[in-house]
Amino acid sequence: NAGVTQTPKFRVLKTGQSMTLLCAQDMNHEYMYWYRQDPGMGLRLIHYSVGEGTTAKGEVPDGYNVSRLKKQNFLLGLESAAPSQTSVYFCASLDRANTGELFFGEGSRLTVL
Amino acid sequence: AQKVTQAQTEISVVEKEDVTLDCVYETRDTTYYLFWYKQPPSGELVFLIRRNSFDEQNEISGRYSWNFQKSTSSFNFTITASQVVDSAVYFCALSDYGAGGTSYGKLTFGQGTILTVHP
Repeated sequence: NAGVTQTPKFRVLKTGQSMTLLCAQDMNHEYMYWYRQDPGMGLRLIHYSVGEGTTAKGEVPDGYNVSRLKKQNFLLGLESAAPSQTSVYFCASLDRANTGELFFGEGSRLTVL
Repeated sequence: AQKVTQAQTEISVVEKEDVTLDCVYETRDTTYYLFWYKQPPSGELVFLIRRNSFDEQNEISGRYSWNFQKSTSSFNFTITASQVVDSAVYFCALSDYGAGGTSYGKLTFGQGTILTVHP
């Protein structure tokens, strides 16, 4: 019963490096989301997807790209990491058909030096 | 634009005290959803409750209760007889309905309230 799984859990990058965060869900949910959490600011939506092959911008999309090639996976990419992208990233998937509950992954802590 | 305000940054109580966490929201939508999440020191986000804008009934779940008042745009959360295990950051969040319900998961979060329960 994995739910929402994020990899990696921790990563340290140098400014300018690129990386991809992977989110996988095994609940057959259509809707998936990427949020970032910064101290004192709550969570903010980066990008989201309402189905395979579709993505849309959230509140803070700049500096990030996403892809949803398979229904169960939602990838978040940083092409050229900046210190301002140091944050904890949460992926979520939505049980829209039943409870309306948003299931979150455990988070990925990214540090950009 | 939507906004969620949790004015209490930090609250400290002694075990067995009752504590209320405030949440005030702003939205222009008539159909919306309100949520509370708990984030314990381990960092994961734990879903506590979802309430839609048409259901103003208060809800009780064990030691937890929620008071939804549309007239004051508030959705407050009370923990009765607090315990050390309740120590966490608590987030209130809001989402509108969107066309065909497409905005369900697009949550606007408050800043969070850090609750510390001392033994």
